[in-house]
Amino acid sequence: AQKVTQAQTEISVVEKEDVTLDCVYETRDTTYYLFWYKQPPSGELVFLIRRNSFDEQNEISGRYSWNFQKSTSSFNFTITASQVVDSAVYFCALRAFSRTGTASKLTFGTGTRLQVTL
Amino acid sequence: EPEVTQTPSHQVTQMGQEVILRCVPISNHLYFYWYRQILGQKVEFLVSFYNNEISEKSEIFDDQFSVERPDGSNFTLKIRSTKLEDSAMYFCASSGVGTNYGYTFGSGTRLTVV
Repeated sequence: AQKVTQAQTEISVVEKEDVTLDCVYETRDTTYYLFWYKQPPSGELVFLIRRNSFDEQNEISGRYSWNFQKSTSSFNFTITASQVVDSAVYFCALRAFSRTGTASKLTFGTGTRLQVTL
Repeated sequence: EPEVTQTPSHQVTQMGQEVILRCVPISNHLYFYWYRQILGQKVEFLVSFYNNEISEKSEIFDDQFSVERPDGSNFTLKIRSTKLEDSAMYFCASSGVGTNYGYTFGSGTRLTVV
């Protein structure tokens, strides 16, 4: 069974602060994919990043960075110099690799609501 | 950039009525999915579909639900007799061959059962 835990239900920061959203996952698969999605108040799921289990390199995209550590089964997401527009719910998700090529679902965490204020 | 299109964006229906939610997946994708998100909760998997049949379904996906690919482009989710607890955001997604291909979500249909 797969599980994704986002222990932080809600985080509130003041604009320009850095913030890290935690994600811990469980899977028996040796090959898998991890995702982060942003869900703004409008409700759609905005894809942020996909990382496969063989690639532990940290990634930076503008103000966003991701720290993947297999040893601790964590895939944390940091926003540097947060802005009000970053206010949203952020979901971490896990997808197993399918050797048979069949469809494989995403297992989502419960999400972290980030509130950035002026 | 290719998109997954969902219609309608919002639907209000009376309890006991049948609803059909529609999705147009990305044209060269072969795997299709429906997910549900009850307000304020996490996104939950409902069903996956490949080669004109269900690949996997969750325990949420009971006999009240069905999926269909009626033609080459649409993918539908039918709820036979809606209940109040079916009120949620429903997301369609599609993915390509192999897990390296993108997993793309539509913008969702907000279903309200009254």
